[in-house]
Amino acid sequence: AQSVAQPEDQVNVAEGNPLTVKCTYSVSGNPYLFWYVQYPNRGLQFLLKYITGDNLVKGSYGFEAEFNKSQTSFHLKKPSALVSDSALYFCAVRDMGDSNYQLIWGAGTKLIIKP
Amino acid sequence: NAGVTQTPKFQVLKTGQSMTLQCAQDMNHNSMYWYRQDPGMGLRLIYYSASEGTTDKGEVPNGYNVSRLNKREFSLRLESAAPSQTSVYFCASKQASGRVDTGELFFGEGSRLTVL
Repeated sequence: AQSVAQPEDQVNVAEGNPLTVKCTYSVSGNPYLFWYVQYPNRGLQFLLKYITGDNLVKGSYGFEAEFNKSQTSFHLKKPSALVSDSALYFCAVRDMGDSNYQLIWGAGTKLIIKP
Repeated sequence: NAGVTQTPKFQVLKTGQSMTLQCAQDMNHNSMYWYRQDPGMGLRLIYYSASEGTTDKGEVPNGYNVSRLNKREFSLRLESAAPSQTSVYFCASKQASGRVDTGELFFGEGSRLTVL
């Protein structure tokens, strides 16, 4: 069965430090992987996606994510965190080989950046 | 550029009442979606419309109906609201093209529904 796991409900990082938000997935075929961000009382916004090619994907607001096929992971990273990065982050996967080609969503990780 | 617009933003219903959530997008996208968001559960797909004139059930369709009124508008109806339908509802759209679709979703601001 397809699934996405975000193992941390919350991640706390000091401003200026690097941050990582973890995501692992399970699909039978090749994955399309996405990260979205949700600021308080707002809708989700697209950050970045991996479809094929370079395993390191760069996205909006200085975020990047690394696709690791052997570890079935797609962790979100940023070299230097900002207080404004505090938000809820969602990982999502779509199985390219699945006829029901809808996104499977992780439960979300709350990122708190402290000044 | 408004993107995806949802109304209402907030609604309180009593058990058994009905209501319709409206969604409109101005990006000429062909696919539209209704999700619900509950704490610790991520997003769950209620219904979607791959193109104008078609609708399909998602993961949690029970208790809901949808109408794809035209290419721009996709409404979600609760015929007889239940407390279990208390949630935040999001409409989203995407320019999709079947199995090779790799596009990202554009979301509305959400509609917070409370059923007493």
